Amino acid sequence: NAGVTQTPKFQVLKTGQSMTLQCAQDMNHEYMSWYRQDPGMGLRLIHYSVGAGITDQGEVPNGYNVSRSTTEDFPLRLLSAAPSQTSVYFCASSYSKTGLHSEKLFFGSGTQLSVL
Amino acid sequence: DQQVKQNSPSLSVQEGRISILNCDYTNSMFDYFLWYKKYPAEGPTFLISISSIKDKNEDGRFTVFLNKSAKHLSLHIVPSQPGDSAVYFCAAPLGGSNYKLTFGKGTLLTVNP
Repeated sequence: NAGVTQTPKFQVLKTGQSMTLQCAQDMNHEYMSWYRQDPGMGLRLIHYSVGAGITDQGEVPNGYNVSRSTTEDFPLRLLSAAPSQTSVYFCASSYSKTGLHSEKLFFGSGTQLSVL
Repeated sequence: DQQVKQNSPSLSVQEGRISILNCDYTNSMFDYFLWYKKYPAEGPTFLISISSIKDKNEDGRFTVFLNKSAKHLSLHIVPSQPGDSAVYFCAAPLGGSNYKLTFGKGTLLTVNP
């Protein structure tokens, strides 16, 4: 059971380039989300999805796009990378879209992104 | 403005002693709190949680205490082990949903042998 898989693990971009961070889960989880972790800032929610075809914004959505065409995949797109997007990105999933307190988030191992 | 605050960036303790990690929150509507542990180059993993209807929740060596009047919670690790060395994040659900979490900045715990 792979859990939540993120690719790539490391990426270096130049300002203005675009790329997609991949996230896949094999636990049939309805809910998926993206967080970024910056030094001294904790983890901040970028976008989330409560099921295929449904996405919504989190705390820091600007500069990022998402889509959810399948239950398993939730890619995060940077259309025009900026140095401020240098961060570690974590994808997470959870079973219950109703947000029952008994459920918890499962995180991937992260993608370290540097924008020069 | 951060609604969950961890004001101690780091904590160092000796193996076998108690580790106490603190967390304050500003939103009195929070009704559930979680602690996550994160090792370097790994994603956070769930550690323990507490509902606001309780003031204590215990799981093995880990106990979380909640003081609603002070809007304060703490994670106690007894006894501390070198393998507990990690960053610990306090979190609370945004909008009452367990999957939309707001996190504190984290506290790096170092347990010295």
